[in-house]
Amino acid sequence: DQQVKQNSPSLSVQEGRISILNCDYTNSMFDYFLWYKKYPAEGPTFLISISSIKDKNEDGRFTVFLNKSAKHLSLHIVPSQPGDSAVYFCAARKQGAQKLVFGQGTRLTINP
Amino acid sequence: GAGVSQTPSNKVTEKGKYVELRCDPISGHTALYWYRQSLGQGPEFLIYFQGTGAADDSGLPNDRFFAVRPEGSVSTLKIQRTERGDSAVYLCASSLGGVNANTGELFFGEGSRLTVL
Repeated sequence: DQQVKQNSPSLSVQEGRISILNCDYTNSMFDYFLWYKKYPAEGPTFLISISSIKDKNEDGRFTVFLNKSAKHLSLHIVPSQPGDSAVYFCAARKQGAQKLVFGQGTRLTINP
Repeated sequence: GAGVSQTPSNKVTEKGKYVELRCDPISGHTALYWYRQSLGQGPEFLIYFQGTGAADDSGLPNDRFFAVRPEGSVSTLKIQRTERGDSAVYLCASSLGGVNANTGELFFGEGSRLTVL
């Protein structure tokens, strides 16, 4: 039962263009969503988050959009840079719960 | 260092053996989590500690898995009678007040890669 799904295993984008990573969820009890970035042989690092009471959160080059009716969120990176090449995980948590439920990840490759 | 430290970074063992994985969280972080990441998957929750007590162990797959945090700092994940299916990267994370605080950010270690032959 995959409650958080990232249907694109990989994405390739040219440097300077926009990268859009997508994530779908099935559990309407999720109230907080996060994106993590992971380089090889390192642990995931927090990137950006959004509460379910918002539909957009922006931090520099990174913007997360939440569409609750569609149970869909997306991460936009603009402009994309070579250092953005990594695996990106979206994660969700239920109100009052401590555990995060992660998607399978999307490998983003930024081409020069 | 200032980050979450996990040892060993790599562990190769034989089926049926006992394994211990250690996590040293960021100083002052009261919340500690263990996750497991299998190849091609995202991290999967195992257990959460608030202080010394396991507040949520619902992710432990079976009774071969056990974790302790006796002094509210370092934690050890223990796996008995290891099976080939236990092979994965075991990630530890800590946070100041849990996922309900601030951004909900967890600070992850680099993980312990366990291979069961």
